[in-house]
Amino acid sequence: SQQGEEDPQALSIQEGENATMNCSYKTSINNLQWYRQNSGRGLVHLILIRSNEREKHSGRLRVTLDTSKKSSSLLITASRAADTASYFCATDAGNQFYFGTGTSLTVIP
Amino acid sequence: EAQVTQNPRYLITVTGKKLTVTCSQNMNHEYMSWYRQDPGLGLRQIYYSMNVEVTDKGDVPEGYKVSRKEKRNFPLILESPSPNQTSLYFCASSFPGAATDTQYFGPGTRLTVL
Repeated sequence: SQQGEEDPQALSIQEGENATMNCSYKTSINNLQWYRQNSGRGLVHLILIRSNEREKHSGRLRVTLDTSKKSSSLLITASRAADTASYFCATDAGNQFYFGTGTSLTVIP
Repeated sequence: EAQVTQNPRYLITVTGKKLTVTCSQNMNHEYMSWYRQDPGLGLRQIYYSMNVEVTDKGDVPEGYKVSRKEKRNFPLILESPSPNQTSLYFCASSFPGAATDTQYFGPGTRLTVL
């Protein structure tokens, strides 16, 4: 399987702290995306980084991509209770998508 | 409102009873896809479609069928469901001509096969 993996599987932090989660994948990619899922609901797109980009920002989100290591990280700064969710990375190989196993983030108020 | 809709949202059925889960999008997206989500396994792609009448297998297509007769609809068919198909299913679609771009997800269908 070409599925990626997120690390850690679960993360618990205090409100206001930063949260960092990592994603590793196995094959060459065009893009890498991060999605958020609230408790069994549909996934919501957060940010996309292309294979020729190394870093991207969107509001409180910062994504890095290291294609030589086949890895990416998602940093959420100044976390809020509303950030509590599962976070998934997704990579593409041709026309197929591969999602990681997810990081469950809990932000304690 | 731009959205992906799925029906039904919840379904309990018995082994072998054919069922269809519908998916519809109103964004004129060419790319549509079905995923299943299981604990500890993340989301796995079942089938995807690049356009009308064009469908391809994803990672876990066994036991499933799809069709794409219209651009907006992409139903998932389980001809003879089995308990190992108990899962949470998501439909998703992407912008025209951008298969690797942002995907918009439906709310999910929770299927239980007894």
